Amino acid sequence: AQRVTQPEKLLSVFKGAPVELKCNYSYSGSPELFWYVQYSRQRLQLLLRHISRESIKGFTADLNKGETSFHLKKPFAQEEDSAMYYCALSGHQAGTALIFGKGTTLSVSS
Amino acid sequence: GAGVSQSPSNKVTEKGKDVELRCDPISGHTALYWYRQRLGQGLEFLIYFQGNSAPDKSGLPSDRFSAERTGESVSTLTIQRTQQEDSAVYLCASSLSGWGGTQYFGPGTRLTVL
Repeated sequence: AQRVTQPEKLLSVFKGAPVELKCNYSYSGSPELFWYVQYSRQRLQLLLRHISRESIKGFTADLNKGETSFHLKKPFAQEEDSAMYYCALSGHQAGTALIFGKGTTLSVSS
Repeated sequence: GAGVSQSPSNKVTEKGKDVELRCDPISGHTALYWYRQRLGQGLEFLIYFQGNSAPDKSGLPSDRFSAERTGESVSTLTIQRTQQEDSAVYLCASSLSGWGGTQYFGPGTRLTVL
């Protein structure tokens, strides 16, 4: 079964602390993995995708096929990082929709 | 340019009534997706359009749900005889192509069925 699991509903950290948002997936094949973010009163938007291997707003995510994980990390959290984060996967067929996890709310306080 | 737009932004209806939700994708985007997000849940795929054909309707929860798309433009999601469990935020997304393309989301329509 295709599934994305985000085990934490809420993650609270202090400004400057490291952040790791966990994501595990189940997929028969090689999926494409994404992190989407939704800031307060804004629409859902792409944060990063694993094939790009880029760092966006200081966030990185490494695909670990052995552990079927795609955890999102940032070494020093900022208050503006507070948002809802969704991990998602897509198969490699045309038009494959995204399969989303339930999301993790990140709260960064000073 | 303009992003994906959806209307209405909020809809309150009575159980048993029909509702129509509209999505205007980004111009030139051939692929269009509908998702649903119920309270405390992740986003749930409903239906995908490539152009005006719908090769994947696997996510539609029941035959009360239907959707259509005009060319590579506007799409409407219709829910007939609404039930309270239909209450959710309905999100539309579009992408340049049906594979590997970044999906751009609209602001959503919050549907409340009383």
